[in-house]
Amino acid sequence: GENVEQHPSTLSVQEGDSAVIKCTYSDSASNYFPWYKQELGKRPQLIIDIRSNVGEKKDQRIAVTLNKTAKHFSLHITETQPEDSAVYFCAGSLDNYGQNFVFGPGTRLSVLP
Amino acid sequence: EAQVTQNPRYLITVTGKKLTVTCSQNMNHEYMSWYRQDPGLGLRQIYYSMNVEVTDKGDVPEGYKVSRKEKRNFPLILESPSPNQTSLYFCASRFGTVDQPQHFGDGTRLSIL
Repeated sequence: GENVEQHPSTLSVQEGDSAVIKCTYSDSASNYFPWYKQELGKRPQLIIDIRSNVGEKKDQRIAVTLNKTAKHFSLHITETQPEDSAVYFCAGSLDNYGQNFVFGPGTRLSVLP
Repeated sequence: EAQVTQNPRYLITVTGKKLTVTCSQNMNHEYMSWYRQDPGLGLRQIYYSMNVEVTDKGDVPEGYKVSRKEKRNFPLILESPSPNQTSLYFCASRFGTVDQPQHFGDGTRLSIL
């Protein structure tokens, strides 16, 4: 089955700097890769996603890149702000309808003022 | 207000005493899913359902049951809970296609003594 690894497990950056979180997946059949943000004590929320037929997707300060050959994808946050502090989860989905999800273990991002 | 509602939010119980965690959504979503969240392991999918009377195992289904008799409800049943099922549980729902965001409930924290 699918296995998703995520690095680093913790990341501290200065406000205004960029943050990059990387995930690798094992099953080349995976074709949908969402990223979720979870603030302390709250529910996960989707922040961006990418499908396997796209190499990059951007939404304001957030971007995701996908390298299908190497089986890895990354989350890029530019101009970080204190409210970006949270745990970020990547995920991979094996099927066209995203039914069966496998999440990475999470990255705790701290943005220092 | 569009939402996914889980009950109870917190429960402390004892080994072997059957319990049910309810999940209800008011968005007419076809897809619903249950996850458990444990420190360092991220979110792991327990069961998911693509529509009424259609359910499938996720990655960690052992010890759990689900049913989908109505579109809006997707209860999680622990027939004989054990301490290793102590965890934070999330229910999620979305429309059928993969490019729709998953909406998560607020979570249910279960402690099995």
